[in-house]
Amino acid sequence: AQSVSQHNHHVILSEAASLELGCNYSYGGTVNLFWYVQYPGQHLQLLLKYFSGDPLVKGIKGFEAEFIKSKFSFNLRKPSVQWSDTAEYFCAVNPLKAAGNKLTFGGGTRVLVKP
Amino acid sequence: DVKVTQSSRYLVKRTGEKVFLECVQDMDHENMFWYRQDPGLGLRLIYFSYDVKMKEKGDIPEGYSVSREKKERFSLILESASTNQTSMYLCASSEAYRWGTDLRNTDTQYFGPGTRLTVL
Repeated sequence: AQSVSQHNHHVILSEAASLELGCNYSYGGTVNLFWYVQYPGQHLQLLLKYFSGDPLVKGIKGFEAEFIKSKFSFNLRKPSVQWSDTAEYFCAVNPLKAAGNKLTFGGGTRVLVKP
Repeated sequence: DVKVTQSSRYLVKRTGEKVFLECVQDMDHENMFWYRQDPGLGLRLIYFSYDVKMKEKGDIPEGYSVSREKKERFSLILESASTNQTSMYLCASSEAYRWGTDLRNTDTQYFGPGTRLTVL
């Protein structure tokens, strides 16, 4: 079965610092890739997604992610974080054809941005 | 705006009780999903449905069943609740995404607020 690994469970950083969250998956075929975010007390919501085309995708709130097929990775980045980026971030993978509608999520990374 | 609602935010039940969690979406989405969210484990798929009366097992279906009688409603049932089913339960819905001839891949999933279930 495919798996999704997020390298860090907890990240603490100061405002204006750069953020990079790692995500690796194990499926070898074509995939759709997602990053979701859950702000404190709010619904899980989409941050960005990659289906095809330019491997560098931009999402909401200044986030971007880069798909590197050879490394089975889809890392999330933000050059300068704000206190409001405090949230839990989840990477998710949908292997096309193999698993139909199923999304497999990583374990999540809790990010705390200190003001 | 897509809206996914869940019947309860908090629920406390006793071991052995039958528990119903309801989810309703208002965007005519084909796909609906039930997950449980536990710290450090992320979201794990329990069941999903890609059409009315259709259901497929996810990664952790044991101890759960589902029902989808109408397109907008997807119910999760715990036949006999146990303490290890204490968790946050999330419902989601999505449009189907056409990839080749397979219409059943998922596009962006829209999540409900979650139900925090405690089984005593």
